[in-house]
Amino acid sequence: GNSVTQMEGPVTLSEEAFLTINCTYTATGYPSLFWYVQYPGEGLQLLLKATKADDKGSNKGFEATYRKETTSFHLEKGSVQVSDSAVYFCALSPYGGATNKLIFGTGTLLAVQP
Amino acid sequence: SQTIHQWPATLVQPVGSPLSLECTVEGTSNPNLYWYRQAAGRGLQLLFYSVGIGQISSEVPQNLSASRPQDRQFILSSKKLLLSDSGFYLCALRTRKANYGYTFGSGTRLTVV
Repeated sequence: GNSVTQMEGPVTLSEEAFLTINCTYTATGYPSLFWYVQYPGEGLQLLLKATKADDKGSNKGFEATYRKETTSFHLEKGSVQVSDSAVYFCALSPYGGATNKLIFGTGTLLAVQP
Repeated sequence: SQTIHQWPATLVQPVGSPLSLECTVEGTSNPNLYWYRQAAGRGLQLLFYSVGIGQISSEVPQNLSASRPQDRQFILSSKKLLLSDSGFYLCALRTRKANYGYTFGSGTRLTVV
């Protein structure tokens, strides 16, 4: 079946440190991949996405590359800020149409200290 | 652009009382709609989804129910709340314009006491 695995966390970093949050997936065909961010007390917001192999999604300094050979979609940022503190969710949309449900990972809490 | 509204933002209800959470959508038609719960930790649990008026699919057995009386309205209900129903409830929509991603509402924090 389809599934998403992401690192447990929490991830605690100092401001301006480099961030990597690992995400791997299991899926048939060619899923679309997403990263969502949830700030404290809020709903989830789409951070970035990639719809085919080797695509790179990017937004607000965050990047993730769709790697089909390693079935991964790791989230990276070169220099984190305190305002990046949030929970990050990796998700996939199975190939085959808009009626399919998104499959979410369990979320990774990022805490950035000044 | 499409937007999704949820209310109330917070709710404190006694055990055994009824529940009604509403989600409405603007800027799109015939969306797929979803109810998620996020309990204590960070994980998202899909409760219900709907692909059209009157069409509800339940993902987990529980004392909650959902209804979609109109294309842009999705309601989560319970006749008698349990302590275990406490959590953060999120409504989401999905259309083809979002390249199959979701747009989420701002959520309702429910505390059952």
